[in-house]
Amino acid sequence: DVVMTQSPLSLSVTLGQPASISCRSSQSLVYSDGNTYLSWFQQRPGRSPRRLIYKVSNRDSRVPDRFSGSGSGTDFTLKISRVEAEDVGVYYCMQGIQWPRTFGQGTKLEIK
Amino acid sequence: EVQLLESGGDLLQPGGSLRLSCAASGFSFSTNDMSWFRQAPGKGLEWVSSISASGDKTFHADSVKGRFSISRDNSKNTLLLQMNSLRAEDTALYYCTRGTSHPGDWGQGTLVNVSS
Repeated sequence: DVVMTQSPLSLSVTLGQPASISCRSSQSLVYSDGNTYLSWFQQRPGRSPRRLIYKVSNRDSRVPDRFSGSGSGTDFTLKISRVEAEDVGVYYCMQGIQWPRTFGQGTKLEIK
Repeated sequence: EVQLLESGGDLLQPGGSLRLSCAASGFSFSTNDMSWFRQAPGKGLEWVSSISASGDKTFHADSVKGRFSISRDNSKNTLLLQMNSLRAEDTALYYCTRGTSHPGDWGQGTLVNVSS
């Protein structure tokens, strides 16, 4: 199985300050079609997961542009340029290249 | 607007069976791969099963293989998960999603509680 490792597992950020979450995979996430199947999800308290980013850096519609994804191969990052109160929740990375699909452990973001 | 509405969750004893349904609307169901994910109380996300658009290919996590079966009815825009021989560790909120490689739409979930 592809192991996804996130860091940090918790993050306390002052409003308006940046935040960054790392995700590393145990194998390359580049598929034979040339795409890299790494996505990021946000789960606000009591809510369903919501996809933020797919294929490393493609932001979903209605996702604020303060969220960005980057990386390649086995090393990926989700950045929030200026944290807002509504960003509180848990963030997960997920690989979609191999069965079983696997997630990182989750990173809990709180406001300092 | 894409809508995924799960149903069928219940409280049941170990060894029991349950069938979850997901009613899909707002997109072309028959041309989309679909998946089930779950989240145990206070835990992270776990992939359970996926099915191709036509239904000819299915995939299951090792933890449910031989006990769960994913299927779909494209004429009714419905995704199904048949769950047999349920265990306490299957207790979770089960989500239906559109897509398998990077699921873009998630339902609100249906709760399965396996307890004696």
